Amino acid sequence: DAKTTQPNSMESNEEEPVHLPCNHSTISGTDYIHWYRQLPSQGPEYVIHGLTSNVNNRMASLAIAEDRKSSTLILHRATLRDAAVYYCILRDRGAQKLVFGQGTRLTINP
Amino acid sequence: KAGVTQTPRYLIKTRGQQVTLSCSPISGHRSVSWYQQTPGQGLQFLFEYFSETQRNKGNFPGRFSGRQFSNSRSEMNVSTLELGDSALYLCASSLAQGEAFFGQGTRLTVV
Repeated sequence: DAKTTQPNSMESNEEEPVHLPCNHSTISGTDYIHWYRQLPSQGPEYVIHGLTSNVNNRMASLAIAEDRKSSTLILHRATLRDAAVYYCILRDRGAQKLVFGQGTRLTINP
Repeated sequence: KAGVTQTPRYLIKTRGQQVTLSCSPISGHRSVSWYQQTPGQGLQFLFEYFSETQRNKGNFPGRFSGRQFSNSRSEMNVSTLELGDSALYLCASSLAQGEAFFGQGTRLTVV
């Protein structure tokens, strides 16, 4: 399984943008980049995913490097409810299995 | 629509016993996956079922098993429980190639 590397923790302030980095140097051509987050006492929640192009949805934006060896999840305006562990995952096209790393624990300061 | 439902939410068992956990996926979802979450190992994939067939299996001993019924509901079973099996067990359902929707999990404590 292709691996991802994320910082253990990050901290930001409320209403400021947050950029969560992820390195995936061994990504293969058929791997999609997925982001999930896990709020305290809940199951993981899908955030966004992409293959090559940058992606936007109501929750976040995903910026993918041209060589696809890294990506950045962008929360445009963090709120206290965004405090969670964020997981960057490589998932092969057609596969359901998600291989979770340790993720980044995001703290939002009021 | 209703989300993924896992029952029970909490469970306490004694070493050596066996346990069955249940997962009802979102209506229309045919893929169900199970994960174990512990503080030491994080989230680990157990197995995935699609149309009553196990399609993928993680690196867990044979004491961990599962099945899926024709209505896509799934159960996982752990036999001969060990203290180390104490964990949060999460179920996720998805359409063929879509995002995974997770339940709130079953917290199993083995004493």
